Amino acid sequence: GQNIDQPTEMTATEGAIVQINCTYQTSGFNGLFWYQQHAGEAPTFLSYNVLDGLEEKGRFSSFLSRSKGYSYLLLKELQMKDSASYLCAPNTGGFKTIFGAGTRLFVKA
Amino acid sequence: DTAVSQTPKYLVTQMGNDKSIKCEQNLGHDTMYWYKQDSKKFLKIMFSYNNKELIINETVPNRFSPKSPDKAHLNLHINSLELGDSAVYFCASSPGQNTYEQYFGPGTRLTVT
Repeated sequence: GQNIDQPTEMTATEGAIVQINCTYQTSGFNGLFWYQQHAGEAPTFLSYNVLDGLEEKGRFSSFLSRSKGYSYLLLKELQMKDSASYLCAPNTGGFKTIFGAGTRLFVKA
Repeated sequence: DTAVSQTPKYLVTQMGNDKSIKCEQNLGHDTMYWYKQDSKKFLKIMFSYNNKELIINETVPNRFSPKSPDKAHLNLHINSLELGDSAVYFCASSPGQNTYEQYFGPGTRLTVT
């Protein structure tokens, strides 16, 4: 079966660092995407990890451990505009990417 | 220019009606998708086409029928609409499979009354 677990909600303060965790169990695995989705908008791509380790891209970094079925998204220097849902999405092979329910992040002043 | 566009943005209709949602991408991508996002925010894949060929067909009722007249278009027709069909439907495209990110359209909010 396919299962993706991530926290439902998180709250953090502007300027702080927040880590959003994701664990997954899938029948196949090629890599893991993170997408950002603001309320009422479409998801937009943030990162893609294939190999174990940390990928850094500006204020956002993403980590993957294939053996543990674990990933996290790290957001630094939080801004109000980072308030959104963050979707963990493993690619299970071929054209199929499965999306988690998302973590709603609230950034407060 | 909009990369992935969908029409209409909002659709309100009654149970039993038939409706269509259109999707177009101008990115030159080979692969297009339809997703359903329900009130709990789960984004579930429904269909995927690669070069106009159906490659993913999840357990979706037969009332849903996708059509891809060419690589740039993927339309979704829904027959005999039910209350449970109310959701936001997203179209997406990608250059290919596996490692490629998907580009999503703005979504179509369907409300069935």
